[in-house]
Amino acid sequence: AQSVTQLGSHVSVSEGALVLLRCNYSSSVPPYLFWYVQYPNQGLQLLLKYTSAATLVKGINGFEAEFKKSETSFHLTKPSAHMSDAAEYFCAVSDNGNTGKLIFGQGTTLQVKP
Amino acid sequence: DSGVTQTPKHLITATGQRVTLRCSPRSGDLSVYWYQQSLDQGLQFLIQYYNGEERAKGNILERFSAQQFPDLHSELNLSSLELGDSALYFCASSVGVDSVTEAFFGQGTRLTVV
Repeated sequence: AQSVTQLGSHVSVSEGALVLLRCNYSSSVPPYLFWYVQYPNQGLQLLLKYTSAATLVKGINGFEAEFKKSETSFHLTKPSAHMSDAAEYFCAVSDNGNTGKLIFGQGTTLQVKP
Repeated sequence: DSGVTQTPKHLITATGQRVTLRCSPRSGDLSVYWYQQSLDQGLQFLIQYYNGEERAKGNILERFSAQQFPDLHSELNLSSLELGDSALYFCASSVGVDSVTEAFFGQGTRLTVV
């Protein structure tokens, strides 16, 4: 069965610093991978997704992620954190190719300090 | 605004009761998904419907049921409610049947069982 592990439930960075949120997946076949963001009292919004095209995926709000098959990782990065990036971030993997079911990690709360 | 509408936004009910959560997908989307978000379980997939037919099922309790109507809106019915059912229930929709097409999430219904 597919699964994702997000390393670190809380990450704190200073404004302007690099953001790195870690995600490792477990999949027996090449997966589709996603990063979603959830702001307080809101639903999830797709940041970016990997669907077996380019391994470096660029998303919204300056975020990007790199698919590394050898490391089974899909870490999310942003060169310079902004206060508005404070939110909860979820990594997800598709269950299989036939449905839209997503399996989510436990989430990482990003705190941005001024 | 994702275009996915969930009602009600908040619901407080007693143990043993039954409630119905409603979801209107984005215009043109044929798939509807239900997810449960709780502190201890995280984001869990419950069920997917595509054009009125059940497409995928997660760890949905027997006390829970869902359906998608001809106009494509969906309802999630929760019965014999227990304290542990308290959670945020998200609906999402997408155009296609698989995870290649982006899933858009509603703002959720927060269910509190007392």
